[in-house]
Amino acid sequence: AQRVTQPEKLLSVFKGAPVELKCNYSYSGSPELFWYVQYSRQRLQLLLRHISRESIKGFTADLNKGETSFHLKKPFAQEEDSAMYYCALLTHGNKLVFGAGTILRVKS
Amino acid sequence: DAMVIQNPRYQVTQFGKPVTLSCSQTLNHNVMYWYQQKSSQAPKLLFHYYDKDFNNEADTPDNFQSRRPNTSFCFLDIRSPGLGDAAMYLCATRAQGSSVYEQYFGPGTRLTVT
Repeated sequence: AQRVTQPEKLLSVFKGAPVELKCNYSYSGSPELFWYVQYSRQRLQLLLRHISRESIKGFTADLNKGETSFHLKKPFAQEEDSAMYYCALLTHGNKLVFGAGTILRVKS
Repeated sequence: DAMVIQNPRYQVTQFGKPVTLSCSQTLNHNVMYWYQQKSSQAPKLLFHYYDKDFNNEADTPDNFQSRRPNTSFCFLDIRSPGLGDAAMYLCATRAQGSSVYEQYFGPGTRLTVT
């Protein structure tokens, strides 16, 4: 089965605290994984992809094949990071399968 | 600004009354997708068009149909909405030759069934 699991519906942290949004996947072969973000009243948009290994807005995500995880991390949360975050997997059929999403709330 | 527009943003329909959701794009993208997202669930692909070629997902109910009269417009028709069809419906587009992850999403239409 090709599946993405985001175990937390809501993650609430204080400004300046580290953030880790969890994502686990089920996939046979080499996965391609992505994080999408949806800010309040905005469209869903790509945040980063594991292949590029880049840092976007201070966020990074490392693919851990042993743990089948692709957690999104940021060392110091900012209020503007508050949003809904979706982890997604590119399937064998060349389609995106999304997780249910995690709401990140950064409190001042 | 080039973009993906979904109208209306909020739609209320009655149980069993046909409803049509609209998506238009100024990006001139060849591929258009429709996703259904129920409350607290992942967006789920219903179908997509590659130009005029329609690709239905195996588990998309027959109650859901789609039309793409031209490159710019794509419609989602729900023939007999049930209470379980209440959801956010997302339209997305993608340029020919781009990667699947490079989809450009619209703001969504929230459908309520009474």
